[in-house]
Amino acid sequence: DIQLTQSPSFLSASVGDRVTITCRASQGISNYLAWYQQKPGKAPKLLIYAASILQSGVPSRFSGSGSGTEFTLTISSLQPEDFGTYYCQQLSSHPLTFGGGTKVEIK
Amino acid sequence: EVQLVQSGAEVKKPGESLKISCKGSGYSFTNYWIGWVRQMPGKGLEWMGTIYPGDSDTRYSPSFQGQVTISADKSINTAYLQWSSLKASDTAMYYCARRGETQEWFDPWGQGTLVTVSS
Repeated sequence: DIQLTQSPSFLSASVGDRVTITCRASQGISNYLAWYQQKPGKAPKLLIYAASILQSGVPSRFSGSGSGTEFTLTISSLQPEDFGTYYCQQLSSHPLTFGGGTKVEIK
Repeated sequence: EVQLVQSGAEVKKPGESLKISCKGSGYSFTNYWIGWVRQMPGKGLEWMGTIYPGDSDTRYSPSFQGQVTISADKSINTAYLQWSSLKASDTAMYYCARRGETQEWFDPWGQGTLVTVSS
């Protein structure tokens, strides 16, 4: 199975800060990676797919990059509504796997 | 609007059976894979399996193979997740989600079905 390691597991940042979350895969997965945001009590929401393609309707302050084994999700200017937990998911092979999550808190 | 609507919360006893549902609307249900994802209390996301409603081709995660059954009824645009004998450790939120066209991302997601198994 492909393991995904996210870092940090928790971060606290202020409105307007630039925030970066990293996802490392245990083996190369090309660009087969997605990012999701989950708010408490809600279903996950797709933000980015194919490592860097912004899903329709997602604010442009979110961006994704990377290929192979290292990927990043960046929020260019953190907004109050961006709190929640962010997960990466590898789409390269079965079983599909998710990272452990990064909880984002607004200071 | 593409939408997945799941059945309501369930409270069951260990050993009981259960079937929860996920109804799709706003798109051609038979042309997109539907996946199921488990989220145990306070934990992360785990892929359980995916079904293609057009022909019921199903893929399971090894962690869930033999533990659950995924099925679909294309005549009513509904996918199912079922257990024959629940355990306390099956207590979790279960989400269905539509698979992407070219890669296996999931969007949109259903609202989730909370399953509580307790004696």
